[in-house]
Parts: sequence; C-alpha cells; structure tokens
Amino acid sequence: DVKVTQSSRYLVKRTGEKVFLECVQDMDHENMFWYRQDPGLGLRLIYFSYDVKMKEKGDIPEGYSVSREKKERFSLILESASTNQTSMYLCASSFRGLDPSTDTQYFGPGTRLTVL
Amino acid sequence: AQKITQTQPGMFVQEKEAVTLDCTYDTSDQSYGLFWYKQPSSGEMIFLIYQGSYDEQNATEGRYSLNFQKARKSANLVISASQLGDSAMYFCAMNSGGGADGLTFGKGTHLIIQP
Repeated sequence: DVKVTQSSRYLVKRTGEKVFLECVQDMDHENMFWYRQDPGLGLRLIYFSYDVKMKEKGDIPEGYSVSREKKERFSLILESASTNQTSMYLCASSFRGLDPSTDTQYFGPGTRLTVL
Repeated sequence: AQKITQTQPGMFVQEKEAVTLDCTYDTSDQSYGLFWYKQPSSGEMIFLIYQGSYDEQNATEGRYSLNFQKARKSANLVISASQLGDSAMYFCAMNSGGGADGLTFGKGTHLIIQP
C-alpha cells in the first residue's frame, strides 16, 4: 500500500514564526505536491516537485517555500507565518508515468495548522 | 486552463440506495485523467477511481463506477448500495497530459447517508 505521512496532524503556531511541515512517502514516487484546503475554496496547489532539488510554483506560492533534498521527503516552509495561512495542508505523491494524465496522486492525512 | 464543476454542495441519501454525484469538467487538452476522492471527517483524501480520456469503457472499482460521457464533458461518480460509512465529502479532480502540475479539484459534494 502507498503510504504518505505528514509530521503533524494538528499544529498551533504564532504569527511571525517559521513553520516546517514535513511529508514523507515510501513508494519511490518522483512527484510530490503540497495543497492547502479552505472551506468554500477547495484544494489549491501551493508547490510541487518532480525530482530531487526541483520545485515548481503552483497556483498560490506566495508566503511559502519548499525543499526536496531526498526523493522521499518534501517539506513546506512558512517563512513568517500569518493568520491567513491558517488552513488544512495536504501532501500528495505520484509516479511520473509516460502520460502524466494517468498519474494517480496519493494523499497524506493532512495537517491542520492554526496561526494565532 | 482546466476547470471542474460540482453542482451539488450537499446530498442526503437513504442507506442502500444508489447515489450519483455530478461532475463536469472543462479542458482544452486531448489527454487528461479524471479522479474521484473521498474525504471523511478525519481529513484524509482517499483515492476512489480513475478514468482516462482515451478509455472507452467506464471505470469501476467495487461499489464505485464512473459514468464518463466525453462529449458532454461529464464524469459522474455512482455509488451502488450506499452504506453509512460512505458519508463524507467527495471531490472530483482532473489532471492533464501537460506535466506534473497538480490536480484541479472541484468544490466537493457533502454526502450524508441516512439509516
């Protein structure tokens, strides 16, 4: 079975803190993704990576950065957390097939981040 | 740009009835994939079923089937013989052949199965 784990289920931080969200997958997937989920807005892509040390901006990268030093691990970094970054953060991974439209993404359990 | 539309914010269904969750999509790509995910109150997104744009047959996975009508750009999820454990949010999503650029999600349908 595909296993995607995230470092915390719940996290409470203060405004201005630097926050690290960690994601690890055990299926040797090339692609990894970070989404945030907000009521009424659905899931939105923050960043993705298709290889070690590679990263691409998604739809809402402002205020975030990422790091992928190892294939199995993809970190999301909030350099200076703000209250509008309170959200559910979901990590996902997938193989990179010959036809990317067939790549099924598997998700972790999510991290509910509250910034006070 | 891709777009997914789910027009049913919420649905109440009696246990053991079949359920159809609507999904329409818009894309200019010829090669794309359509996915359905289930999200229980715990928050995890669970992959249910996949349909490729070139697949001629509708996808099925156990009690889940995908009613794919390419000309209408619709990809409805059908759950047969619903169970109380099916109560959850359901999201339709799509990917394109353009690269690993993430899924585009609909806003979701909140399904509640009543005993």
